[in-house]
Amino acid sequence: DIQMTQSPSSLSASVGDTVTITCRASQSIVKYLNWYQQKPGKAPKLLIFGASSLQSGVPSRFSGSGSGTDFSLSISSLQPEDFATYYCQQGYITPLTFGGGTRVEIK
Amino acid sequence: QVQLQESGPGLVKPSQTLSLTCSVSDASISSGAYYWSWIRQHPGKGLEWLGYIDYSGSTNYNPSLRSRLNISVDTSKNQFSLKLTSVTPADTAVYYCATTYSGYSFSDYWGQGTLVTVSS
Repeated sequence: DIQMTQSPSSLSASVGDTVTITCRASQSIVKYLNWYQQKPGKAPKLLIFGASSLQSGVPSRFSGSGSGTDFSLSISSLQPEDFATYYCQQGYITPLTFGGGTRVEIK
Repeated sequence: QVQLQESGPGLVKPSQTLSLTCSVSDASISSGAYYWSWIRQHPGKGLEWLGYIDYSGSTNYNPSLRSRLNISVDTSKNQFSLKLTSVTPADTAVYYCATTYSGYSFSDYWGQGTLVTVSS
């Protein structure tokens, strides 16, 4: 299985900040990397697919980059509704695997 | 906008079979546009992909659960189902059904999730 490692596991930030979350794959996954946002008690929501493509309806303050084994999700000008847990997921090969999550908390 | 809704018992006894159904609306499973996935989340933990099925009934399972897992599809009812046998308390989780797009294998539509507790 491909292991996905996210860092940090949690971070504190203020409204208006820019935050970056990283995700590393245990082997190359080319650009088969997707990002999700999950709020408590809710299903995950797709933000980014194919490492850098913004899902329809997702604000442009979310952006993704990377290829191979190293990827990142950036949120610019953090908004109150962005405080949530973020997961990366590799779609290169089954079993599909997720990172452990990054919790973004209000400072 | 695809809508998915999980249904099934919220409590299952150890050693029994966990059975859930996902009802799909505003999309046809038979269209072949998606794989149809089951994903679970242990309380307070991360996400685990269990497996998916396509419209023809072809399946792909997580090897960690393959011996206990069965996913089936009923295109006449526009539903797909999960059966997990010989459950233990470690199978207690929120179970989600979701679409999985075959390109980058992302899941763009999810059910609301259903908590299944394994306990005697």
